[in-house]
Amino acid sequence: SQQGEEDPQALSIQEGENATMNCSYKTSINNLQWYRQNSGRGLVHLILIRSNEREKHSGRLRVTLDTSKKSSSLLITASRAADTASYFCATDAAGAQKLVFGQGTRLTINP
Amino acid sequence: KAGVTQTPRYLIKTRGQQVTLSCSPISGHRSVSWYQQTPGQGLQFLFEYFSETQRNKGNFPGRFSGRQFSNSRSEMNVSTLELGDSALYLCASVPPGAQETQYFGPGTRLLVL
Repeated sequence: SQQGEEDPQALSIQEGENATMNCSYKTSINNLQWYRQNSGRGLVHLILIRSNEREKHSGRLRVTLDTSKKSSSLLITASRAADTASYFCATDAAGAQKLVFGQGTRLTINP
Repeated sequence: KAGVTQTPRYLIKTRGQQVTLSCSPISGHRSVSWYQQTPGQGLQFLFEYFSETQRNKGNFPGRFSGRQFSNSRSEMNVSTLELGDSALYLCASVPPGAQETQYFGPGTRLLVL
């Protein structure tokens, strides 16, 4: 079963615009991670935010975490065509190596 | 360092057959987790191995099994294949001392006919 629900399921924007995707989860967590997947390939780890953190940045990525609402958001600024991919949030509620993934947001960046 | 490698990359089997997939973690990583990805169910945890022992198991039938060798390489086996087992099977390894971030391989795409 999926712990995370991601919103929107699909997002299409123009290159240079910002992309925001959201993730909600159901149980208490130690951390929440975001992964990217290009066209049915392996997942690439983007960023991890711990339960005691509220915001984290990495390059063009900004992640927020609201544990009271059990939700997180991933913002990609100044999007590029290469950012076209599916993005998944994952939580470790069930144990560090037993990640529970959301259904993902399919992001398309139009040139 | 070489990344996580998975073999084979693509596989076609028929119902009732069995299949074995292999995963070699990044050198020095001792924990290997397996996930199944399907369009309907998304990414689901199968099991995790550490030092040749299964530490965690997901909610999959007994037809799904795995093992880990002393060199940390892992295999998963699916017996009596069903059409619904068609999926992308991903393995991930975890570096020692950094128990949260998982490094994923490219996956094995299994098609059951």
